[in-house]
Amino acid sequence: TQLLEQSPQFLSIQEGENLTVYCNSSSVFSSLQWYRQEPGEGPVLLVTVVTGGEVKKLKRLTFQFGDARKDSSLHITAAQPGDTGLYLCAGGPGNYGQNFVFGPGTRLSVLP
Amino acid sequence: NAGVTQTPKFRILKIGQSMTLQCTQDMNHNYMYWYRQDPGMGLKLIYYSVGAGITDKGEVPNGYNVSRSTTEDFPLRLELAAPSQTSVYFCASSSQNTEAFFGQGTRLTVV
Repeated sequence: TQLLEQSPQFLSIQEGENLTVYCNSSSVFSSLQWYRQEPGEGPVLLVTVVTGGEVKKLKRLTFQFGDARKDSSLHITAAQPGDTGLYLCAGGPGNYGQNFVFGPGTRLSVLP
Repeated sequence: NAGVTQTPKFRILKIGQSMTLQCTQDMNHNYMYWYRQDPGMGLKLIYYSVGAGITDKGEVPNGYNVSRSTTEDFPLRLELAAPSQTSVYFCASSSQNTEAFFGQGTRLTVV
C-alpha cells in the first residue's frame, strides 16, 4: 500500500507569517497533486508536479517535488486568512491504477 | 459549468435502511471515483470506474455497491446502512492522468 504522510497535522499562525507543510512517502509517485478543501466543499486542485526537483509557484504558494519523487512541500509566504483550509496531497497513480492516494491533510488556520 | 453534481447534500438514515447517492458529471470524463472522508481524515477510495460498464473496488468497498451504465452517472448504493458508514462522501471524475474534479459532497449520518 502506498501511503502518504502529511505534517504538521494542524497549524495555526498569524496573518503575515510564512509556513511550510510537508507530504512524505516511502513510495515513488509519477505525479503529486496538492488540493485545498474548505469547510463544506470538495477539494480543489492547486497544482500538479510531475518531474523530480520541480518547483512551481502560484502567487504566494510555492510547491516543490522531491528529487526522488517521494515527497513534496508547500510553502506559503505572508499567509492570509483566505488561505485557511485543509491542504491535501495526493500521489498518483496509486495501487488502483489511475487512482490517486490521498494524505490525511494539514489543517491550516490563519488568524487575522 | 456544472462539473460534478452530487445529490443529496445531506441525509440521515436509520440502521439497516438503504439509499443511493447520486453523482453525475458533464465533462465527458472516463474516470469516476467515490471517496469517503471521516472527520479530521483524508480521503479513502471506495469504488472507481474507468469507463461505462467497468467498475472496481478501491480501498474500503465493503458495504457499498456501484454501477456505471453511462459515462455521466456513477451512483453509490448502501444496502444496509451501519453507523460506521457515517461520513462525508465525495464523488470525483477525471480524464486519464489529469486532476480529479470533486463534487460538493454528501453528508450522511446513520443513527
